[in-house]
Amino acid sequence: AIQMTQSPSSLSASVGDRVTISCRASQDIRNDLGWYQQKPGKAPNLLIYAASSLQSGVPSRFSGSGSGTDFTLTISSLQPEDFATYYCLQDYNYPLTFGPGTKVDIK
Amino acid sequence: QLQLQESGPGLVKPSETLSLTCTVSGGSINSRRYFWGWTRQPPGKGLEWIGTIYYSGSTYYNPSLKSRVTISVDTSQNQFSLKLSSVTAADTAMYYCARRHEDLRWAFDIWGQGTMVTVSS
Repeated sequence: AIQMTQSPSSLSASVGDRVTISCRASQDIRNDLGWYQQKPGKAPNLLIYAASSLQSGVPSRFSGSGSGTDFTLTISSLQPEDFATYYCLQDYNYPLTFGPGTKVDIK
Repeated sequence: QLQLQESGPGLVKPSETLSLTCTVSGGSINSRRYFWGWTRQPPGKGLEWIGTIYYSGSTYYNPSLKSRVTISVDTSQNQFSLKLSSVTAADTAMYYCARRHEDLRWAFDIWGQGTMVTVSS
């Protein structure tokens, strides 16, 4: 199975900050990667698919990049509603595997 | 707008079978453009993919659970189901059903609200 790692595991940031989260796959997954945001007590919400495509309705401050094994989620200007946990998910092949998550909280 | 809703017992005894159903409303489950799947999340932990089914009945399971998992689809009821046998406390989790969409390179675009299942005697 493809292993997914994320860094950092958590970060503290202020409103307005630029935030970058990294995700790495244990093998080449082309661009078959999605990013999901999860708030406490809620289901995950799709932000980015195919590594860099913004899901409909998601604010443009979210962006994704990367291909192969290294991927990045960027929030250009952190907003209060962005404090959450972020997961990457590879859907290149089965079994689908999530990264361990990055928790973004308030500094 | 398509919605997913999980249902099933919130408490299951150890060694018994966990059974959950996901009801799809506002759209048809019977489409080649979608896969349907289950993901779970133990309290305070990360997400774990359980398995996925196509409307035709083709299934894909997480190898770590494969011997205990069965996912099935009932197109007449617009539902798909999860069965997990021989449960232990380690299976205590929030269980989510979700749709994978071909147009989004098979990303999970719609999720149910989740249902908490506790394994305890």
